[in-house]
Amino acid sequence: DSGVTQTPKHLITATGQRVTLRCSPRSGDLSVYWYQQSLDQGLQFLIQYYNGEERAKGNILERFSAQQFPDLHSELNLSSLELGDSALYFCASSVGSGGAYNEQFFGPGTRLTVL
Amino acid sequence: DQQVKQNSPSLSVQEGRISILNCDYTNSMFDYFLWYKKYPAEGPTFLISISSIKDKNEDGRFTVFLNKSAKHLSLHIVPSQPGDSAVYFCAASVLGTGANSKLTFGKGITLSVRP
Repeated sequence: DSGVTQTPKHLITATGQRVTLRCSPRSGDLSVYWYQQSLDQGLQFLIQYYNGEERAKGNILERFSAQQFPDLHSELNLSSLELGDSALYFCASSVGSGGAYNEQFFGPGTRLTVL
Repeated sequence: DQQVKQNSPSLSVQEGRISILNCDYTNSMFDYFLWYKKYPAEGPTFLISISSIKDKNEDGRFTVFLNKSAKHLSLHIVPSQPGDSAVYFCAASVLGTGANSKLTFGKGITLSVRP
């Protein structure tokens, strides 16, 4: 158990809909990262927040947005969903803000299926 | 453009033998490399890392070798155990970018260790 929790574990929805994925980092961790793992793809970095502020951005679509709240939990919002958005979405957390400098601890992921 | 490539999707080895997992990268700016292991229904967990100033890093049964001129790294597991059966992700980063030092992952290799 990494100490990072993600809800829900599974999500099935239809094209055009909007969903929210939630992540609670390990106690004491200030950074939260979001990754997407599509079929036959590696983990694609989406976005990083550090202590409530956006710190780094990766290949995140404009239809996707994220935020980190004062209690440090984070939400990833996916809107106007398309079939190709079906994927595993992982959240990771680390103590510091320095991306690869700090070991990232991953949650179990949320499997999103868009029908 | 896949900057981190794990060209072999799977590997099967006998228990007690050596497992060699390969990874190639194209971005010559990468200076920090990591291996993550992932079991089904769990998030990836950090395994071992290596900085570009080294060509070898060892941790117990796990050794990572880096060949900068060939832009190639490999993970050696000796001896392999059935519990090592998992998906292994290679990741790379440019540490010099500080807070923007995001991790770029490969697609992963599924290792099966036969008893």
